[in-house]
Amino acid sequence: DAKTTQPTSMDCAEGRAANLPCNHSTISGNEYVYWYRQIHSQGPQYIIHGLKNNETNEMASLIITEDRKSSTLILPHATLRDTAVYYCIVRGVQAGTALIFGKGTTLSVSS
Amino acid sequence: EAGVAQSPRYKIIEKRQSVAFWCNPISGHATLYWYQQILGQGPKLLIQFQNNGVVDDSQLPKDRFSAERLKGVDSTLKIQPAKLEDSAVYLCASSSRTSGSSYNEQFFGPGTRLTVL
Repeated sequence: DAKTTQPTSMDCAEGRAANLPCNHSTISGNEYVYWYRQIHSQGPQYIIHGLKNNETNEMASLIITEDRKSSTLILPHATLRDTAVYYCIVRGVQAGTALIFGKGTTLSVSS
Repeated sequence: EAGVAQSPRYKIIEKRQSVAFWCNPISGHATLYWYQQILGQGPKLLIQFQNNGVVDDSQLPKDRFSAERLKGVDSTLKIQPAKLEDSAVYLCASSSRTSGSSYNEQFFGPGTRLTVL
């Protein structure tokens, strides 16, 4: 079973920041937080991952609370193309570990 | 860099028939995964290969599903006989990191949508 809890759906206006929360209260010290997204009719796509420090890349920022029990994925300027299902996944450090997906959050970006 | 290729993209069969899906991972990727995604749910791992060996097939319904990865490159997933509940999207993914790294991005193909009537 997935170790994370996410809202079922969220809405965001185009150009505004989208903040997607994730609870992972049972995360252990050697587990990472990964975010993937899945645009309709496509396979999931990696976005970002982190252990305990905040992370930023060209797609998004990841904010992890100090106790690591929750995190937030931030899309700073959402576009219509960001409409997708976003999955928050807790994953061990062992290389090759498969991903355990929950139902994710459906983000709808509208103009 | 070419992505993960899958074929066919769509398949419609009747129950009790057999079907096969093909996956060509990104060149050089040692790890290959097959996931099943039922409508409205997240993908669920069916089987994981490391080169041509099976790492995890604990969730593969072995009475009807089989998979192989000959020569550690391409892979095929077969269902025989198919049931109505096998209607889903079958996703193939690959990754390059093998050990000693926390970063293991998985690259997914577009999937094969199977409809069993």
